Amino acid sequence: DTAVSQTPKYLVTQMGNDKSIKCEQNLGHDTMYWYKQDSKKFLKIMFSYNNKELIINETVPNRFSPKSPDKAHLNLHINSLELGDSAVYFCASSRDTGGLGKAFFGQGTRLTVV
Amino acid sequence: DQQVKQNSPSLSVQEGRISILNCDYTNSMFDYFLWYKKYPAEGPTFLISISSIKDKNEDGRFTVFLNKSAKHLSLHIVPSQPGDSAVYFCAASVRSGSARQLTFGSGTQLTVLP
Repeated sequence: DTAVSQTPKYLVTQMGNDKSIKCEQNLGHDTMYWYKQDSKKFLKIMFSYNNKELIINETVPNRFSPKSPDKAHLNLHINSLELGDSAVYFCASSRDTGGLGKAFFGQGTRLTVV
Repeated sequence: DQQVKQNSPSLSVQEGRISILNCDYTNSMFDYFLWYKKYPAEGPTFLISISSIKDKNEDGRFTVFLNKSAKHLSLHIVPSQPGDSAVYFCAASVRSGSARQLTFGSGTQLTVLP
């Protein structure tokens, strides 16, 4: 049983396209996140949702839009993809403040924009 | 502005010896610190954590030490095993609204040589 699953694992697409990455967690957690791991290997938070509500929105281009249909899902839509969007994107979830930041991560989606 | 820094991108250790991974932080508001381990093509997995009110936490072969005055923490693995070879991320946590926000370092690649 995969706790946090994201699809697809690999995504290669052309500049200008619109794509989505899906994420689901079966841990019953209230909070979900999207992280981006850039070429320098830093894991940087992009968004955080708590019970379907956006609570953290770092400085991310508005081409990136998270969608949370329910608290078990947090999908990431990216419009007008650019070369610089190439990275590995990780979805994660945690209990809320009781989790003390301990997050469970998905396996990552390697996005390559050509 | 890197609030969490891991200055050693890589570390090689002989099997059976001690591995010491270091991490420095700048934000004094961080009150919880975590180490994550990441294998290739997988998401990070939680390893061990420590609250800012403690200076040591031990779990089997893994011990985390926190020096608040120096804003420094370290992860000790003893004895090191080849299966410990992975990227280790230091992370610091602070409450942000109704959730906790994790800030990651850039990781240290640990290689345990048989």
